[in-house]
Amino acid sequence: AQSVTQPDIHITVSEGASLELRCNYSYGATPYLFWYVQSPGQGLQLLLKYFSGDTLVQGIKGFEAEFKRSQSSFNLRKPSVHWSDAAEYFCAVGAMTGGSYIPTFGRGTSLIVHP
Amino acid sequence: GAGVSQTPSNKVTEKGKDVELRCDPISGHTALYWYRQSLGQGPEFLIYFQGTGAADDSGLPKDRFFAVRPEGSVSTLKIQRTEQGDSAMYLCASSLQGGPGANVLTFGAGSRLTVL
Repeated sequence: AQSVTQPDIHITVSEGASLELRCNYSYGATPYLFWYVQSPGQGLQLLLKYFSGDTLVQGIKGFEAEFKRSQSSFNLRKPSVHWSDAAEYFCAVGAMTGGSYIPTFGRGTSLIVHP
Repeated sequence: GAGVSQTPSNKVTEKGKDVELRCDPISGHTALYWYRQSLGQGPEFLIYFQGTGAADDSGLPKDRFFAVRPEGSVSTLKIQRTEQGDSAMYLCASSLQGGPGANVLTFGAGSRLTVL
């Protein structure tokens, strides 16, 4: 079965600084990879996805992520963080499990932005 | 509708009571998922519908949790004899069709359940 590890529970950055959130996955084949963002009391919003092709994918709100097969990683990056980026970020892997397509989520990383 | 709609947005109940949570997916989306998110955790899979049938219910606790989607659109998650451990955010998501590839899940805002 697939799994996702987000090793950082909390990340604190200053506004304007760069950001990298880590995600490692476990899956036997090429996975479908996603990053979602969740603001307090809200559902999950898709930031970006990787299915195939170019391993550097661009998303909304200036985010990007890079798929590295050799490291089983899909880290999320942003060159300059805004205060409004403070939220919970979830990495997910979509894979077939027993004939069904079931996305599996990591536990999330909470981003705190200092002014 | 334009998005996935979940009602109620908040539900407070007493231990032992039954609750029903409703999900109205995006029109035309055949796949519907229920996830449970406890405080400080990521979403945990409960059940996946493809059309009217439950294609995978491996995450659904068997004794007190039931989910249906009788007409292939709206889904209801029912929890019987609620326990304090059931307190969580219940998230519903839909996608155009089940299966990998371009089928991205769109989530509703969730139903927050608190069992006293």
